[in-house]
Amino acid sequence: EVQLVESGGGLVQPGGSLRLSCAASGFTFSNNWMSWVRQAPGKGLEWVANIRQDGNDKYYVDSVRGRFTISRDNAKSSLYLQMNSLRAEDTAVYYCARHASGELDYWGRGTLVTVSS
Amino acid sequence: QAVLTQPSSLSASPGASASLTCTLRSGINVGTYTIYWYQQKPGSPPQYLLNYKSDSERHQGSGVPSRFSGSKDASANAGILLISGLQSEDEADYYCMICHSSAWVFGGGTKLTVL
Repeated sequence: EVQLVESGGGLVQPGGSLRLSCAASGFTFSNNWMSWVRQAPGKGLEWVANIRQDGNDKYYVDSVRGRFTISRDNAKSSLYLQMNSLRAEDTAVYYCARHASGELDYWGRGTLVTVSS
Repeated sequence: QAVLTQPSSLSASPGASASLTCTLRSGINVGTYTIYWYQQKPGSPPQYLLNYKSDSERHQGSGVPSRFSGSKDASANAGILLISGLQSEDEADYYCMICHSSAWVFGGGTKLTVL
């Protein structure tokens, strides 16, 4: 059974940093692109970033480029999101999701990041 | 102007059909894109439903009932999710998604009420 479990969320002050992790199991992690998608409270979905199977190709939404870094460790079947210079508008539930062909076919349950003083 | 525009809400009766639209921004041709559709219920992560590019390039998510189907309206430059035989359990938020300029983009979502 495919499972994606996010961790690392919490309360952080504006300007602070946080590192999210996503532990994958039930499939060969190194075979798939992976994405982070976020959802602000009461709002819609926003794709944040994705990363190729070997980690050498990465893409970001404009609003986080230069502040967030996506990475992966295929040996540990883990996905990461390093978030720096956090802003109030980054407050959201962050989901880890697996790409099949293009579709995001499996999602974790998410981890809440709150940016507030 | 947003890349993808969805109506914020839609209501329909049980047993009826609901057509959810996802309109692409002017200058972005729906014919060249695969449209992905997701369903999200309160307190749960999104679930993949299906994708549609053409009648010969489409994919139904695992376990997704055939009463969920995709299409396009080229004249409106829009992707469409059709849900037939509406059931109370179909009440949810629905999001469309495309890959545009190496970035994935979601529509703002449609809240479907079945009443």
